[in-house]
Amino acid sequence: ETGVTQTPRHLVMGMTNKKSLKCEQHLGHNAMYWYKQSAKKPLELMFVYSLEERVENNSVPSRFSPECPNSSHLFLHLHTLQPEDSALYLCASSQDFRDRGPGDYGYTFGSGTRLTVV
Amino acid sequence: GQQLNQSPQSMFIQEGEDVSMNCTSSSIFNTWLWYKQDPGEGPVLLIALYKAGELTSNGRLTAQFGITRKDSFLNISASIPSDVGIYFCAGQEGNILTGNQFYFGTGTSLTVIP
Repeated sequence: ETGVTQTPRHLVMGMTNKKSLKCEQHLGHNAMYWYKQSAKKPLELMFVYSLEERVENNSVPSRFSPECPNSSHLFLHLHTLQPEDSALYLCASSQDFRDRGPGDYGYTFGSGTRLTVV
Repeated sequence: GQQLNQSPQSMFIQEGEDVSMNCTSSSIFNTWLWYKQDPGEGPVLLIALYKAGELTSNGRLTAQFGITRKDSFLNISASIPSDVGIYFCAGQEGNILTGNQFYFGTGTSLTVIP
């Protein structure tokens, strides 16, 4: 496997379910991100893990809970979601900007998880 | 948070035509990136720019980092059907406050008519 891998690719869940999204990167990066992509809106940064520090966007509801057990894996735990949470959830990785060297170009994205909340 | 103004929102062009899109911001950026996203996939990096005034090419794609560091443009020459997709700009301030965060434009949807 190379690059950034996200599973599952598609997920349909009820509002009372608990599920998790998984992201794995094989690029040796030390920063990972969750983004939400909704139609007609810019990509919204949800969470950042960098050099084992977690940076939160304060506007993310508590029904989204990230977990980063190591620099290669990132999870997004979901519970009691709302229909408006339906979107494409993208994981990305990069070198932390403090570590960036020649060739460390921005983010590498996964293919995303298409989430539908019913 | 920071928002980038990307234009146009959509373009319908004939195969073989050239395409131009741009992005402006209210902040000074240290890095500009251009991504392309195909349906059902994540964005893929096309070009990265690191210096004001820098002009960089990747095949038929050319992008420039504006001198004011508040804008960037992307040109596609001699478009082909596989250029169809959504193109995003992204900028990074790269300071200790905003760190790794990139701000994204709303995207330009490109349709190429054969």
